[in-house]
Amino acid sequence: GAVVSQHPSRVICKSGTSVKIECRSLDFQATTMFWYRQFPKQSLMLMATSNEGSKATYEQGVEKDKFLINHASLTLSTLTVTSAHPEDSSFYICSARGEEGPGGNQPQHFGDGTRLSIL
Amino acid sequence: AQSVTQLGSHVSVSEGALVLLRCNYSSSVPPYLFWYVQYPNQGLQLLLKYTTGATLVKGINGFEAEFKKSETSFHLTKPSAHMSDAAEYFCAVLGTGRRALTFGSGTRLQVQP
Repeated sequence: GAVVSQHPSRVICKSGTSVKIECRSLDFQATTMFWYRQFPKQSLMLMATSNEGSKATYEQGVEKDKFLINHASLTLSTLTVTSAHPEDSSFYICSARGEEGPGGNQPQHFGDGTRLSIL
Repeated sequence: AQSVTQLGSHVSVSEGALVLLRCNYSSSVPPYLFWYVQYPNQGLQLLLKYTTGATLVKGINGFEAEFKKSETSFHLTKPSAHMSDAAEYFCAVLGTGRRALTFGSGTRLQVQP
């Protein structure tokens, strides 16, 4: 089946640093990628949607200057958390979806997530 | 807009017992509905999905769900729980615009020996 690789799986860094998370679709072309944030014991909250070659669409309340998203190719999207602070600590999950056909029922395939801890 | 409600944040069953995880949705268009499973510190794995056609959908690991439009429900069931089924389960809907999934709050399934 379709595989999405997310790297790194865990990051621990000091406050003020920037962290980049990569999301790759390994065996299909991902025209759309999604970035979610998940707080402990809570559901996934959509942060932004990115389409290859265009600017990401951010959900209300998500700071686009804080969470930089780049979707430069059909197999790679990156999320950069700039000047990270302890409140940015969370579990970040990406998902990827191939090109939609009639009916729009292409499934999303999820990465294994990145646990970000800011000290 | 669309939303998903999962009744019961925690469900505990005995090994071999029936598993029933409840999901109700709202959507202004015919919904596409999904169940995902999440193991600790991992991403989400698709269990099953409903888009169109047969309302009883069979998924992996012996799970199935039935789409009931009149009840706006998509409950997940498994006849006999296994210890390996212990995980977090999320119901999700793809509604207006078929853009991103909207997730429910999740149900943690515990399986007692």
